[in-house]
Amino acid sequence: GAVVSQHPSRVICKSGTSVKIECRSLDFQATTMFWYRQFPKQSLMLMATSNEGSKATYEQGVEKDKFLINHASLTLSTLTVTSAHPEDSSFYICSARQGQVNTEAFFGQGTRLTVV
Amino acid sequence: GENVEQHPSTLSVQEGDSAVIKCTYSDSASNYFPWYKQELGKRPQLIIDIRSNVGEKKDQRIAVTLNKTAKHFSLHITETQPEDSAVYFCAARGGTSYGKLTFGQGTILTVHP
Repeated sequence: GAVVSQHPSRVICKSGTSVKIECRSLDFQATTMFWYRQFPKQSLMLMATSNEGSKATYEQGVEKDKFLINHASLTLSTLTVTSAHPEDSSFYICSARQGQVNTEAFFGQGTRLTVV
Repeated sequence: GENVEQHPSTLSVQEGDSAVIKCTYSDSASNYFPWYKQELGKRPQLIIDIRSNVGEKKDQRIAVTLNKTAKHFSLHITETQPEDSAVYFCAARGGTSYGKLTFGQGTILTVHP
């Protein structure tokens, strides 16, 4: 399968600071990338869908001004958690898809964010 | 939007037994149903998937069945092994909304040696 790399894998930040997470498709061009959040012992909850060159589509209840998504190229999408608070501590995972809607999406390895 | 329900939330079996996990979905337009295995702190790994034009698919010890009329699909694992222990998620994807996946709540499978 295709490779999606997410960086960093772990990050600890202070309350009030911002954190940027990168999601890269290493061997294919990702027209669409998805950002998920997963709290301990819970399922993956979609935060937003990111299409290259256009604004991200956010799921209901997700603050777009707090979770900034940029998909500037076909191989890179970034998620910036602004003014982080302890309740933002979670496992953030991206997935990337090449081409049409009915193609498989591949997951990054996830980023464990801890806000202290 | 799509809603996916998954049962059971936990499943404990003896090595060699079979395990079955069931999911239902709400959107009749959904046409792709993957199953993922996730180990603690790791990314979800696709283990098998099925599309809406197929009723059953098998890959060695793993099989998935789909009933479009009833809008439910199931994962079957035979001859379970301790290394099958993990969290399993079902998901459904519709034909619109950029093909986003909606996940079930997850099932913690424990296979006892």
